[in-house]
Amino acid sequence: GENVEQHPSTLSVQEGDSAVIKCTYSDSASNYFPWYKQELGKRPQLIIDIRSNVGEKKDQRIAVTLNKTAKHFSLHITETQPEDSAVYFCAALRSNYKLTFGKGTLLTVNP
Amino acid sequence: DADVTQTPRNRITKTGKRIMLECSQTKGHDRMYWYRQDPGLGLRLIYYSFDVKDINKGEISDGYSVSRQAQAKFSLSLESAIPNQTALYFCATSDKGTSGNTDTQYFGPGTRLTVL
Repeated sequence: GENVEQHPSTLSVQEGDSAVIKCTYSDSASNYFPWYKQELGKRPQLIIDIRSNVGEKKDQRIAVTLNKTAKHFSLHITETQPEDSAVYFCAALRSNYKLTFGKGTLLTVNP
Repeated sequence: DADVTQTPRNRITKTGKRIMLECSQTKGHDRMYWYRQDPGLGLRLIYYSFDVKDINKGEISDGYSVSRQAQAKFSLSLESAIPNQTALYFCATSDKGTSGNTDTQYFGPGTRLTVL
């Protein structure tokens, strides 16, 4: 089955700096890669996703890149703000199968 | 997301008791999931259902059972609760994409279960 590794497990940055979270996956048939943000005490919510036919996707301060050959994908947050502080999860999915999550990254943005 | 609801939101129970967690959705999605979240372990899939007649085990199904009563309802049961089942439980739903791919998952608010 699919295995998703996520690094780092914790990340602390200063407000305004960039943050990068990286994930690797094992199943070459995986074709959908979402990123979820979970604020303290709340449910995970999708912030951005990418499909295997695309190498990069941006949404304002958030971007995701995908390298299918190396089987890794990354979340990039620019100009971080305190409200970006949360746990971020990457995930990988193969068509008509189940989503496999990474173990999460606790991002802290210091004012 | 208000379209996915879970009851109860919090529950404290004792070892050996039977517990049922319920999930309802008004999104009209065919696919529903139960996850367990523990600190440092991420979200682990317990069971999933792609339609009313379809039930599949996830990676940690031992000690749990599920029932898909209708398209909108998916219940998780702990037949005899034990302390290491203390965790945060999330229900999620997703739609079947136009090409058959499972799309974005939408999570319920979670149920915090404590087994003493």
